[in-house]
Amino acid sequence: AQSVTQPDIHITVSEGASLELRCNYSYGATPYLFWYVQSPGQGLQLLLKYFSGDTLVQGIKGFEAEFKRSQSSFNLRKPSVHWSDAAEYFCAVGARNTGKLIFGQGTTLQVKP
Amino acid sequence: EAQVTQNPRYLITVTGKKLTVTCSQNMNHEYMSWYRQDPGLGLRQIYYSMNVEVTDKGDVPEGYKVSRKEKRNFPLILESPSPNQTSLYFCASSYWDRGKETQYFGPGTRLLVL
Repeated sequence: AQSVTQPDIHITVSEGASLELRCNYSYGATPYLFWYVQSPGQGLQLLLKYFSGDTLVQGIKGFEAEFKRSQSSFNLRKPSVHWSDAAEYFCAVGARNTGKLIFGQGTTLQVKP
Repeated sequence: EAQVTQNPRYLITVTGKKLTVTCSQNMNHEYMSWYRQDPGLGLRQIYYSMNVEVTDKGDVPEGYKVSRKEKRNFPLILESPSPNQTSLYFCASSYWDRGKETQYFGPGTRLLVL
């Protein structure tokens, strides 16, 4: 069955520190993978996506993610976190040509000054 | 401006009183979906539609209905709401072109069923 696991429910980092949010997926074929961010009281904003090709993808707001097929992972990274990055982050896998997304449980990021 | 709109944004109702949450997109997208978001569970897909008159169940369709009579609109209907449908609901639309997809989410509708 298709599934997405975000092992970390809550992460706290200091402003300026590096960040890595973990995402593992289970999918029968080559997946489409996404990271979304949800700020408090807001909708979801697409950070980046992977469909094929280069396994290191760049997104908005200085985020990047690396697709590792051997580890079934799609971890999100940022070299230096800003206080405004505090939000909830969702990893999702997409089924081709259906518009169907399966989301992970989300990781809440807290940024310490 | 390209957008997905939902109405209402906030709704308090009572058990058993039918309600409809509207969703509209102005991007001529073929695919539209409804999700619910609950703490610790992330977002779960309720229904999705690949085009006019084409809908299919997602992961948690029980207690919900949808229709897709026009490309731009995809209303979510709760015929007899129950307290376990208290949640935050998101509508999304997406466009696929040569294997590439862009998905847009609406602002969300927060529903409380008493």
